[in-house]
Amino acid sequence: RKEVEQDPGPFNVPEGATVAFNCTYSNSASQSFFWYRQDCRKEPKLLMSVYSSGNEDGRFTAQLNRASQYISLLIRDSKLSDSATYLCVVLYNDMRFGAGTRLTVKP
Amino acid sequence: DTAVSQTPKYLVTQMGNDKSIKCEQNLGHDTMYWYKQDSKKFLKIMFSYNNKELIINETVPNRFSPKSPDKAHLNLHINSLELGDSAVYFCAVSDASYEQYFGPGTRLTVT
Repeated sequence: RKEVEQDPGPFNVPEGATVAFNCTYSNSASQSFFWYRQDCRKEPKLLMSVYSSGNEDGRFTAQLNRASQYISLLIRDSKLSDSATYLCVVLYNDMRFGAGTRLTVKP
Repeated sequence: DTAVSQTPKYLVTQMGNDKSIKCEQNLGHDTMYWYKQDSKKFLKIMFSYNNKELIINETVPNRFSPKSPDKAHLNLHINSLELGDSAVYFCAVSDASYEQYFGPGTRLTVT
């Protein structure tokens, strides 16, 4: 089992749609969790940290389920500019990146 | 000012050569990292430095060596380049929260 697993997608959704991504991790002692986005040929950029109680930042909501060892990212009211690859990152001794989920938002 | 910068942005070189990639940060964060992103877009950590000391060293070939002349810089030296070294290399920095800020990347092509 991979340390951090994501559905690679692609997810193709219309503008205004709600889309959710899940990410599972293998090590129950993992300490911190993050979502990053990466645009084509660009560097990853921090989208949000994921807290145990869940957290929201505008249209984005992140959740952590330690019992089932997954984190999720919900994007509401998708915009064209949300098109990117979303990377799940888990900290256990060092940073482990998922392979990413590709999202395309279409007009 | 760019928070994390890398030079060069593109590097094309022949097998067997030795090259360096430079990384500089102005955020004052304690930890700096080097990542490799291969053609399959998978991002893997190579090294991290905390207060000028190496604290993580993934199983990368010893042809790769990080060097940190000061807290604001972490350079990556690569000896005897191989075709498989072709990738995008990202420098990143973080503070105690582990939230990472990446440089723009260096696209290395070995011919």
